Amino acid sequence: QLQLQESGSGLVKPSQTLSVTCAVSGGSMSSGSYSWSWIRQPPGKGLEWIGYIYHTGNPYYNPSLRSRVTISVDTSKNQFSLKLSSVTAADTAVYFCANYDNKSGSFDLWGQGTMVTVSS
Amino acid sequence: SYELTQPPSVSVSPGQTATITCSGDKLGTKNCCWYQQRPGQSPVLVIYKDNKRPSGIPERFSGSNSGNTATLTISGTQSFDEADYYCQAWDNSAAVFGGGTTLTVL
Repeated sequence: QLQLQESGSGLVKPSQTLSVTCAVSGGSMSSGSYSWSWIRQPPGKGLEWIGYIYHTGNPYYNPSLRSRVTISVDTSKNQFSLKLSSVTAADTAVYFCANYDNKSGSFDLWGQGTMVTVSS
Repeated sequence: SYELTQPPSVSVSPGQTATITCSGDKLGTKNCCWYQQRPGQSPVLVIYKDNKRPSGIPERFSGSNSGNTATLTISGTQSFDEADYYCQAWDNSAAVFGGGTTLTVL
């Protein structure tokens, strides 16, 4: 059964780059019906979609974050990654990776999330 | 940018029916999903494609979507259903989430 596990920099200084990785286990990332997403949730607030990438490497980003976001995939390691540059306190959040199934049109599997705090 | 609007909170008595709405321009022309998030946990998909339940989700959960409003209905609500619920749709290749609704079972 497919499982997702995030890992990354728990504390990042303002203006630096946040980096988080999602390890995929229990299956292959190369299924054509899947894309791989990042979603974040600031403390006490709602969910915000960051972007997704296909196993072929084509990314799509939230327009509000596009200038600062890079999502990449490494199918040989069965993982995908998020980099967010020029971070501020507003980027403090739990970062979730999620599997988007094109057949169901939904994020049907989520990782447990990793907290990233932006602070000097 | 596209917006989805949910009521911040809904209260329901145990055993009664809870209704959570999600409003957006021409939302009925898009597929809508619903996610349940209990405190400290990751979101879980409860409804996809407006009214379909993933395996393992009780029949008490149902959905509809028409016009500008999608609705999540939980019949025979249990204390176990207390959680935040988020609707989600796609607009111009971007995923959009509603602000979330806290369901309280009194």
